[in-house]
Amino acid sequence: AQSVSQHNHHVILSEAASLELGCNYSYGGTVNLFWYVQYPGQHLQLLLKYFSGDPLVKGIKGFEAEFIKSKFSFNLRKPSVQWSDTAEYFCAVMGTTSGTYKYIFGTGTRLKVLA
Amino acid sequence: SAVISQKPSRDICQRGTSLTIQCQVDSQVTMMFWYRQQPGQSLTLIATANQGSEATYESGFVIDKFPISRPNLTFSTLTVSNMSPEDSSIYLCSCWGPVETQYFGPGTRLLVL
Repeated sequence: AQSVSQHNHHVILSEAASLELGCNYSYGGTVNLFWYVQYPGQHLQLLLKYFSGDPLVKGIKGFEAEFIKSKFSFNLRKPSVQWSDTAEYFCAVMGTTSGTYKYIFGTGTRLKVLA
Repeated sequence: SAVISQKPSRDICQRGTSLTIQCQVDSQVTMMFWYRQQPGQSLTLIATANQGSEATYESGFVIDKFPISRPNLTFSTLTVSNMSPEDSSIYLCSCWGPVETQYFGPGTRLLVL
């Protein structure tokens, strides 16, 4: 079955700590991969995406993610988090099923950064 | 990019009643979607709102419970019918922009008593 797993539901870090949020997916065929972020009181918005090419993609606000095809993973990283990174982060996979595009989201990871 | 607004932003409803949620996009878009986000769970796609034809529902969601309208390329409504407390959730409208990126509305927070 198609699925996206985010292993960490809640993460608490101090400012300047490094961040890595795990994302694994199960989806046959070609996929496009996304990380979305929802800051408190704001809409869900795109953080970064991978379609093809360099498996290390860079997004906004210093975030990056690495696509490892052999591990079906697309982990999100940031070398040094800031208080303003406090938000909920969603991994998503888009693929095609019977000619129809389908988006599948993970359950989300709530990140709290302590000042 | 697309800017999406939703009305109402939140509501508290009685069991057995229905609520219609409106979604307005600031540009014409082909694909519009309705999601449900329950606490501690992922976003679950309810249906794809098709302009000029019936919505396409995901497994577990039916038209009688969640009727959807899509009268034009910028607007859609989702009705939550005959509500029960299990329908308490955040309902999100979204659309596809360039390169399959999704844009989301602010959500409608629904509490059913």
